Amino acid sequence: DIVLTQSPGTLSLSPGERATLSCRASQSVSSSYLAWYQQKLGQAPRLLIYGASSRATGIPDRFSGSGSETDFTLTISRLEPEDFAVYSCQHYGASPPYTFGQGTKLEIK
Amino acid sequence: QVQLQESGPGLVKPSETLSLTCTVSGGSVTSGFYYWNWIRQPPGKGLEWIGHIFYSGSTNYNPSLKSRVTMSVDTSKNQFSLKLDSVTAADTAVYYCARTIYDILTGYTYYSDYWGQGTLVTVSS
Repeated sequence: DIVLTQSPGTLSLSPGERATLSCRASQSVSSSYLAWYQQKLGQAPRLLIYGASSRATGIPDRFSGSGSETDFTLTISRLEPEDFAVYSCQHYGASPPYTFGQGTKLEIK
Repeated sequence: QVQLQESGPGLVKPSETLSLTCTVSGGSVTSGFYYWNWIRQPPGKGLEWIGHIFYSGSTNYNPSLKSRVTMSVDTSKNQFSLKLDSVTAADTAVYYCARTIYDILTGYTYYSDYWGQGTLVTVSS
């Protein structure tokens, strides 16, 4: 199984700052099959990024994704108060199980 | 607008079977463009993919749960279901259903674009 390791576990930043979240895969993942989700307390995950770098419908352009093979990054260019949440990466493709990373909690500093 | 809604008992006794149903509205489970997933999240922990089902009945399960999981689809009701046998306290979690994009040409799935709100299932006597 592919293991996705996210870092840091918790990221403390202030509104207006830039956030950089990492997702590292234990083996190469096609960038077509890497997605990022945002989850707020008590809510279902919300799709942010698919195909490693494509924004889902309605997602602001301050969110961007990049990376390939084993290293992927989610960047939030300028944090808004509503961006403080947990972010998880997940791989898809041809070979289940489709594992998730353990999540990065983005908290207000 | 596609909506998914989980339903089922919120409390299950140890060793019994957990049964949940996901009702899809605003779209059809018979579409060949999607797989239908179950995903869970234990309290305070990360997300775990349980498995998915195609409208034809084709399934893939997480190997860690495969011996206890059965998924089915009811096209007449536009629903799909999850059964998890022999539950223990470790199966206590919020259970989500979700839709995943499927490319019939490649045979690959891409990402989950619509999710249910989730339902908490507690395993306790």
